[in-house]
Amino acid sequence: NAGVMQNPRHLVRRRGQEARLRCSPMKGHSHVYWYRQLPEEGLKFMVYLQKENIIDESGMPKERFSAEFPKEGPSILRIQQVVRGDSAAYFCASSPRTGASGNTIYFGEGSWLTVV
Amino acid sequence: AQTVTQSQPEMSVQEAETVTLSCTYDTSESDYYLFWYKQPPSRQMILVIRQEAYKQQNATENRFSVNFQKAAKSFSLKISDSQLGDAAMYFCAYRSANSGNTPLVFGKGTRLSVIA
Repeated sequence: NAGVMQNPRHLVRRRGQEARLRCSPMKGHSHVYWYRQLPEEGLKFMVYLQKENIIDESGMPKERFSAEFPKEGPSILRIQQVVRGDSAAYFCASSPRTGASGNTIYFGEGSWLTVV
Repeated sequence: AQTVTQSQPEMSVQEAETVTLSCTYDTSESDYYLFWYKQPPSRQMILVIRQEAYKQQNATENRFSVNFQKAAKSFSLKISDSQLGDAAMYFCAYRSANSGNTPLVFGKGTRLSVIA
C-alpha cells in the first residue's frame, strides 16, 4: 500500500515564477492537508481539502497561494510569483474518512522549494 | 485556538540511556488526540506514538512511551534504551476529535542528539 506521494521532491524556481506541488494521498484516503515548514521551525497548517472542496484554508496566505483537490488526480498546491520567503519544505498529509483509522494523519516525504 | 508548546529546543542523551521530551498544550476541548512525530535528517515525518485523550492508560510503542497528564495538559515522550537512529527532531502535535478530520497543530520541535 503506497504511502502519501509527493512530487517533485525538490523544485528550484526563480523569483516571479510559479511553483506547482503535487500530492497523491494514500489509497482509500479522501482528506488532504498541506503544511509548510520553514527552516528550523515546526510545521504550520496551510489548507485542508476533500475531493473538490476546500474545507479549511485558514493557514493559507491571502495572495499567490491556492490549492485544489479535483475529483480525479492529485491535490495541487500552487504558488504564483514566488518570492525568496516561499523557500520551505511543503508537506502533504492524508487521512481516511471521519472515524476511520483513529484519526491518524500520514505524511508524505515533502517537497523542497528553493527560490533563487 | 489550540496551542502546543515544546519548551526544550535541544536535548541530548547517551546511547542506551533514557530521555524524556516535554510537551504541553492548551485547549478547552475534552476530546482530542495527541501525537509525537519524528523527523530524521531525511526530513520525512514519521509517526512515533499517539494517545487518545479519553484513555487514561499511557500509550506505549516498543521503546517509546508517553506520560499523559490530562488535567495538567502535559504529554511527554520517554525514549528508553536510546539508539543512534533516534537522533532527530521530535514534534508534539494535537488534533481535535470534535469536528471530524481537523488539522494537526504542531509544537516547534525538540532536536534530540544521541551520543555514542
